[in-house]
Amino acid sequence: GQNIDQPTEMTATEGAIVQINCTYQTSGFNGLFWYQQHAGEAPTFLSYNVLDGLEEKGRFSSFLSRSKGYSYLLLKELQMKDSASYLCAAPYLGGGYQKVTFGTGTKLQVIP
Amino acid sequence: GAVVSQHPSRVICKSGTSVKIECRSLDFQATTMFWYRQFPKQSLMLMATSNEGSKATYEQGVEKDKFLINHASLTLSTLTVTSAHPEDSSFYICSAHSADPSVERRMTDTQYFGPGTRLTVL
Repeated sequence: GQNIDQPTEMTATEGAIVQINCTYQTSGFNGLFWYQQHAGEAPTFLSYNVLDGLEEKGRFSSFLSRSKGYSYLLLKELQMKDSASYLCAAPYLGGGYQKVTFGTGTKLQVIP
Repeated sequence: GAVVSQHPSRVICKSGTSVKIECRSLDFQATTMFWYRQFPKQSLMLMATSNEGSKATYEQGVEKDKFLINHASLTLSTLTVTSAHPEDSSFYICSAHSADPSVERRMTDTQYFGPGTRLTVL
């Protein structure tokens, strides 16, 4: 099975850096996704890590440690528009299909 | 590229009626589409996997006779909520898995989400 844990809520200040952690336990590893979801909208893809290390993409970076079952999403130079839920998700093979299990999401509030 | 649309974006219906939601991949062929449901302040829960040309496979606890799925073509899947009740009110989101080799290789493992459909059953 798949089990994903991440904090429920976080608050950070505009312009600052915030790190959102995710721990996972999966039967077979097929990478890890991070998605951003604004209230009332569908998730949008942020990153996909399959190898250990940090991958940087503009203000957002994602880190993976397969041995520790741990990932984090790093958001730099926070902007008000970054207030959203951030979902950690793990793909897995189920019934012959590649499916995805989502964590409950971390609701980030950026304050002035 | 890799755009998925959903229609309608919002629907309000009376209890007992049926509602059809369409999910379309606009610029790629999606052999597999997924239907999720998201209740307020909860994460996305996979309901079923829709595969073109075959019957959908449902996750445990999801009633296949209540949530009818038809994957008519490589670009269209529909979810029909039959005899909807207030407890079916939720945000329904589809996603499509692209096996298109022209898409950047790593991204072929990515699901592309539709914008979602907000269903409210009165």
